[in-house]
Amino acid sequence: NAGVMQNPRHLVRRRGQEARLRCSPMKGHSHVYWYRQLPEEGLKFMVYLQKENIIDESGMPKERFSAEFPKEGPSILRIQQVVRGDSAAYFCASSRRDLGVNTEAFFGQGTRLTVV
Amino acid sequence: GDSVTQMEGPVTLSEEAFLTINCTYTATGYPSLFWYVQYPGEGIQLLLKATKADDKGSNKGFEATYRKETTSFHLEKGSVQVSDSAVYFCALSDPGTASKLTFGTGTRLQVTL
Repeated sequence: NAGVMQNPRHLVRRRGQEARLRCSPMKGHSHVYWYRQLPEEGLKFMVYLQKENIIDESGMPKERFSAEFPKEGPSILRIQQVVRGDSAAYFCASSRRDLGVNTEAFFGQGTRLTVV
Repeated sequence: GDSVTQMEGPVTLSEEAFLTINCTYTATGYPSLFWYVQYPGEGIQLLLKATKADDKGSNKGFEATYRKETTSFHLEKGSVQVSDSAVYFCALSDPGTASKLTFGTGTRLQVTL
């Protein structure tokens, strides 16, 4: 059973370009979470999605950032018109159900975005 | 809101030394508490967890006890190895916001021979 797969592992974009980060959850997992890790900081929650629905996007910047988790295919985190401050590691996690006492989130290896 | 505070790194220890990484939290409810680990070049893995007061989580020789009275979840290991070198994250999941984990900033541990 493959783990959470993120691609690409490294992504370089020039300022103003678009970045698309992909996350394939573990088999049987319908809950996906995106986190961002800025240099020297912890992971910050961005968005929580279930199939075709955004459940909680309280951590998403209001502009330029969007996320989707379609019925078929991976979850996509999209950043339009990237700026240098978007440079970070973006981690995806998945779970079988809502996080709770007996539900664990499994993380991918992350995508390191560098904006030049 | 919820928050997690953990000791700053890096922490440098000799092999077989005793490890403590402090973690304290604030939460509105009764959270579950976690330690995650990120080995060099790898993703983030759950190391251990505790879901209620006085629970002790343990794995790979690491332990942490959920202390409600001090709102702490300190990570300990009696004898570290070079292979334990990694970044360790303390985190909580609040039942009121079960959709998200709140992480500390991470503590880098470097173990030398």
